Amino acid sequence: EIVLTQSPGTLSLSPGDGATLSCRASQTFSSGQLAWYQQKPGQAPRLLIYGASSRATGIPDRFSGSGSGTDFTLTISGLEPEDFAVYYCQQYGSSPWTFGQGTKVEIK
Amino acid sequence: QVQLQESGPGLVKPSQTLSLTCTVSGDSISGGRYYWSWIRQPAGKGLEWIGRIYTSGSTNYNPSLKSRVSISVDTSKNQFSLKLSSVTAADTAVYYCARGGDYFDSSGRFDPWGQGTLVTVSS
Repeated sequence: EIVLTQSPGTLSLSPGDGATLSCRASQTFSSGQLAWYQQKPGQAPRLLIYGASSRATGIPDRFSGSGSGTDFTLTISGLEPEDFAVYYCQQYGSSPWTFGQGTKVEIK
Repeated sequence: QVQLQESGPGLVKPSQTLSLTCTVSGDSISGGRYYWSWIRQPAGKGLEWIGRIYTSGSTNYNPSLKSRVSISVDTSKNQFSLKLSSVTAADTAVYYCARGGDYFDSSGRFDPWGQGTLVTVSS
């Protein structure tokens, strides 16, 4: 099973700041088979990024994904108030599909 | 738009079987483009993929749960279901159903998700 480790655990930022979230895999998997999700309290996760760098339908372009191999990054350029949430990465290149433990982006 | 809705008992006794159903609207399970998955999330914790089913009835399960889980599909009702046997308190979680992955491009992304349903295992 591939273990995804997200860092940092919590990011304390202000609206307008940029955010860089990291997701590191315990081993390589099929190229680019990584997604990012946003989850707000009491809600289901929402797909943001798939294929490591493709934005899902309706996702603002301030969200971008990058990376390959075992290291992946979600970048949020200019945090909006609605972006404060928990973010999860997920790999689907190797079964079982697995998630990271999450990074919380909180208001500073 | 595509919507998924979980339903089932919110309270299950230890050692019994947890049973949930996901009703899909706005897409057809029998269309064959997607897998249909179950995912769970204990309170305050991360996400765990439970397993998936294809319209043909073919399934894949997380090895951590494989001995206790069964997913089935009813294309006539556009529903798929989860059964988890011999539950303990550790199975208490919000259970989500989701569309994913994509059968044709082998993508395992989940989109969209149901709103989730809390299942508590307690006597």
